[in-house]
Amino acid sequence: DGGITQSPKYLFRKEGQNVTLSCEQNLNHDAMYWYRQDPGQGLRLIYYSQIVNDFQKGDIAEGYSVSREKKESFPLTVTSAQKNPTAFYLCASRGQGRYSNQPQHFGDGTRLSIL
Amino acid sequence: KQEVTQIPAALSVPEGENLVLNCSFTDSAIYNLQWFRQDPGKGLTSLLLIQSSQREQTSGRLNASLDKSSGRSTLYIAASQPGDSATYLCAVQGGSEKLVFGKGTKLTVNP
Repeated sequence: DGGITQSPKYLFRKEGQNVTLSCEQNLNHDAMYWYRQDPGQGLRLIYYSQIVNDFQKGDIAEGYSVSREKKESFPLTVTSAQKNPTAFYLCASRGQGRYSNQPQHFGDGTRLSIL
Repeated sequence: KQEVTQIPAALSVPEGENLVLNCSFTDSAIYNLQWFRQDPGKGLTSLLLIQSSQREQTSGRLNASLDKSSGRSTLYIAASQPGDSATYLCAVQGGSEKLVFGKGTKLTVNP
């Protein structure tokens, strides 16, 4: 079945450590996104990528980095500069065309906590 | 700056009841509006997408309407079931790739 796979499901970060969250899709989608979800808040966009080797900052990019070397993969690194990383991280993808009116498809998320 | 508000934040109904969830947005210059469902600890599942030129979309027991000029959308759920219990999120897309999300309505359907 086509879909989006996020791993790991749970992740723990030590102080000063960088961690990388994996997102892989087999939907042949061009656009991919990373969101952060905190209790009582809506989803907030961290980074997004519309094509391979290109990505843009979202609303809360500070302390995060991404790469898009392959169409299928869009890993997110939470760096030590992100002082409040505890959250639920969601990856999404969408089919071709900025105005294609296709819905975003989401993975099942990674929950990141600080040790 | 686009803002999306969902009222109520939580709703509890008995099984079989018809119900309406509300979503409002401040900037009517949207490209589409989407309704999602989120189960606890899970990602979002797309339910309905309404293009800006459309007034409503239907899928099974779900019907979503859009009044762009007044900045409002409603999600109507007919004959609610315990399996409908989840958080429902609406999101609007403007002139960019970004979706702006509301904080959601947590629905509980009691058997």
